[in-house]
Amino acid sequence: AQKVTQAQTEISVVEKEDVTLDCVYETRDTTYYLFWYKQPPSGELVFLIRRNSFDEQNEISGRYSWNFQKSTSSFNFTITASQVVDSAVYFCANEDGNQFYFGTGTSLTVIP
Amino acid sequence: DTGVSQDPRHKITKRGQNVTFRCDPISEHNRLYWYRQTLGQGPEFLTYFQNEAQLEKSRLLSDRFSAERPKGSFSTLEIQRTEQGDSAMYLCASSPGRDTDTQYFGPGTRLTVL
Repeated sequence: AQKVTQAQTEISVVEKEDVTLDCVYETRDTTYYLFWYKQPPSGELVFLIRRNSFDEQNEISGRYSWNFQKSTSSFNFTITASQVVDSAVYFCANEDGNQFYFGTGTSLTVIP
Repeated sequence: DTGVSQDPRHKITKRGQNVTFRCDPISEHNRLYWYRQTLGQGPEFLTYFQNEAQLEKSRLLSDRFSAERPKGSFSTLEIQRTEQGDSAMYLCASSPGRDTDTQYFGPGTRLTVL
C-alpha cells in the first residue's frame, strides 16, 4: 500500500511566487514521523524538516513553512517568494514502524 | 567538514556478478541507512543499523542483498547475482540517533547492470 502520496508530479512557478507542495500520508501507528527532503540537480538529498505525530504546530523556517494536519493526513510544504535556487525535486517521507517510505517527489521549477 | 561518503560513485557490472558498496557515515553517528532510488522515484528504504546491529530490513528486500556494519562505523552493501532490475542509485544516510534525528545523505553509488 502506498504510504506517501505526492500528487503533484511537476510544478512551475515564476520567481517570487509562493508555491505549496502537497503530501498525504497513510499510517496505522499513533506515533510516527514525517519528513521533507530536497534533491537539487546535483543529486544529493538534503534534509529539510522532521515532524513527529504529536506536534501539529505549523513550523516556519525562513521562506519555508509546513502545515501538518492529522485530520486530513497531510503535511504540506510552502515556499514563499520562490527563488531559482529552489528548483529541485522535493520528497515527502514517513517513518512508520521503523520502515521509511518516500513519495515519488514533486519536481519544482522556478522560472526567473 | 566530513559528510557521508560512498564508494564507488559508479559501478558497471555484468548480470550475474556480485558487487559491494561501501558507506562511511559521519563520525559518531550511530544510525546508518541504505536506500535505493530509481529514475523518477523516491528513495526506497532497504535497511538500517543502530551501531553494528541491523534493526530493520525492508520486507521487499531480496535475499540477494545483504548489509553489514561490523564495527559500528562503515557499512557495506552486497548484491549477489546482480540482475538488470538492480540498476539504480544506492544511497546511504547516517544520523546521530538522538531525538533530533536528522538523516544526512551521501552522494550515492550508481549501479548499472548490463
